[in-house]
Amino acid sequence: GAGVSQSPSNKVTEKGKDVELRCDPISGHTALYWYRQRLGQGLEFLIYFQGNSAPDKSGLPSDRFSAERTGESVSTLTIQRTQQEDSAVYLCASSRPTPGLSETQYFGPGTRLLVL
Amino acid sequence: AQSVTQLDSQVPVFEEAPVELRCNYSSSVSVYLFWYVQYPNQGLQLLLKYLSGSTLVKGINGFEAEFNKSQTSFHLRKPSVHISDTAEYFCAVTGAGNQFYFGTGTSLTVIP
Repeated sequence: GAGVSQSPSNKVTEKGKDVELRCDPISGHTALYWYRQRLGQGLEFLIYFQGNSAPDKSGLPSDRFSAERTGESVSTLTIQRTQQEDSAVYLCASSRPTPGLSETQYFGPGTRLLVL
Repeated sequence: AQSVTQLDSQVPVFEEAPVELRCNYSSSVSVYLFWYVQYPNQGLQLLLKYLSGSTLVKGINGFEAEFNKSQTSFHLRKPSVHISDTAEYFCAVTGAGNQFYFGTGTSLTVIP
């Protein structure tokens, strides 16, 4: 089937505005990850969802960042009161994990966020 | 805690020459190791992964990597590169938990 999709592909916003980024994982993938990739840097883990378990939010950089996922489907990452340092590519990945074993992640194309 | 270090941020190499992209990790637990590739204007794709078993892992497009526990390394190699191998390469590590830790990436440029 289709891979991981993300929308929008690009987003330009003004400092102080809220933005919402969307991720559609591969059907049947119970695990979903959000990462941030700043220019010239590696991937920075933000949050992890696994089925109906409580999400691992340990990577969220501030309380302006939040994410939700309904069941094993779509996830939205919300950034409130955006700052210029939030400018980055936001990547979503999904996987079909086996408990105790790390499975391959499949990445979406990312949302490129620019905060002016 | 786990972390990944990719020692070379940029690696230029001539076409048909061999290449090695270095990756070192630190971890206090057993690890699983991955190499991902990001072609220009595309998303990340898995090249190869080490979970257990043979320490030499073969991936797509002729790449291979060797897990060296004593040196805490997982270097990526290809005996003969092609122009189409020009991309950003990321090494990643994870343990028994859920978090993946990625390196800062190595930009491979193949020169014709």
